[in-house]
Amino acid sequence: QVQLVESGGGVVQPGRSLRLSCAASGFTFSNYAMYWVRQAPGKGLEWVAIISYDGSHKSYADSVKGRFTISRDNSKTTLYLQMNSLRPEDTAMYYCARSRHVVGASPFDYWGQGTLVTVSS
Amino acid sequence: DIHMTQSPSTLSASVGDRVTITCRASQSINSWLAWYQQKPGKAPKLLIYMASSLESGVPSRFSGSGSGTEFTLTISSLQPDDFATYYCQHYNTYPYSFGQGTKLEIK
Repeated sequence: QVQLVESGGGVVQPGRSLRLSCAASGFTFSNYAMYWVRQAPGKGLEWVAIISYDGSHKSYADSVKGRFTISRDNSKTTLYLQMNSLRPEDTAMYYCARSRHVVGASPFDYWGQGTLVTVSS
Repeated sequence: DIHMTQSPSTLSASVGDRVTITCRASQSINSWLAWYQQKPGKAPKLLIYMASSLESGVPSRFSGSGSGTEFTLTISSLQPDDFATYYCQHYNTYPYSFGQGTKLEIK
């Protein structure tokens, strides 16, 4: 069965960095685009970033562009999110999610359980 | 960027009711629209994709319709398990934005 397990969250001071990981299993990871989505406490969902199946294409929300970097290691079936220059408004649960379709525009059919990032001094 | 607006923000209903949630896009997204259900402390769950296609395993009381800029999610007969927050999301062009959510509460 498809499993996505995030890790790496925690409490970090403003301006510092953190790297999130998402370990994937139960499917051919290298065939699927992958996403990060976040949710601030008590708020709605915010799309953060996408990486294509081979890592050649990436796109970011304006709110994180230039500070966050999405990457993947298909040999390790793991997705990453490097977060630099963190701000209090980046405090959120961060979910990784899988593209439903192998090709073309697609919603997200499998989600991890999330990892909580808290940016506070 | 495309902006998604859901209405209502909160909906109170009873078991057995038929309910409809509306989602509007700021520009045409054809049928590139998904609906998710989220329960407290849990990840979202995909219900509907391509505006009206039911995800595998999702009960048939859920249905979606619309195209262009106006979309609806309908639950034909509310069950106790359906009380949750619902989000629409477009996947027409990046960024794939979500609506602000509709919380479905027990009346």
